[in-house]
Amino acid sequence: AQSVTQPDIHITVSEGASLELRCNYSYGATPYLFWYVQSPGQGLQLLLKYFSGDTLVQGIKGFEAEFKRSQSSFNLRKPSVHWSDAAEYFCAVGAGTASKLTFGTGTRLQVTL
Amino acid sequence: NAGVMQNPRHLVRRRGQEARLRCSPMKGHSHVYWYRQLPEEGLKFMVYLQKENIIDESGMPKERFSAEFPKEGPSILRIQQVVRGDSAAYFCASSPTNTEAFFGQGTRLTVV
Repeated sequence: AQSVTQPDIHITVSEGASLELRCNYSYGATPYLFWYVQSPGQGLQLLLKYFSGDTLVQGIKGFEAEFKRSQSSFNLRKPSVHWSDAAEYFCAVGAGTASKLTFGTGTRLQVTL
Repeated sequence: NAGVMQNPRHLVRRRGQEARLRCSPMKGHSHVYWYRQLPEEGLKFMVYLQKENIIDESGMPKERFSAEFPKEGPSILRIQQVVRGDSAAYFCASSPTNTEAFFGQGTRLTVV
């Protein structure tokens, strides 16, 4: 069975600092990997996705993620965080389709000014 | 192109009542998915539908829950005889090709 672990429940960074959110997955074949962001009371917005090819993927809002098969990881990064990035971030894995995604429990990002 | 539309945004039901949650997918999207988010948890898959067909309902509770996506109109998630444990945020997502899911803003169900 597929699973996703986001080891950091809560992270606080200063505005302008760099950010890395960790995601580890368990899946038997080549995974489809996603990062979503959820602002309070809102739905989920897709930041980026990895299906195949270049292991460094670029997303919206200046985010990027790197797929490392050897470490079963898909960490999300941003070089300089903005106060508006404060939200909850979810990593998800799929079996090659958009259906039946398995989500991690999320990392709540707080940005201090 | 409007996004995935869910209504109502907030729904309060008394124990034993029925809850009906609606989801209108994005234009041109024929794949619809429902997920449930319990407090402090990630989203859990419930069901995957295409027009008039349930493709995968492996995440649906066996009793009281049902879903449909008729030929015309929105997808409906129906919860009969709600209990307090059904209180959660229910998210609908849609996709044009079953490769990328676009989520709605969710319906927050509170059972009192």
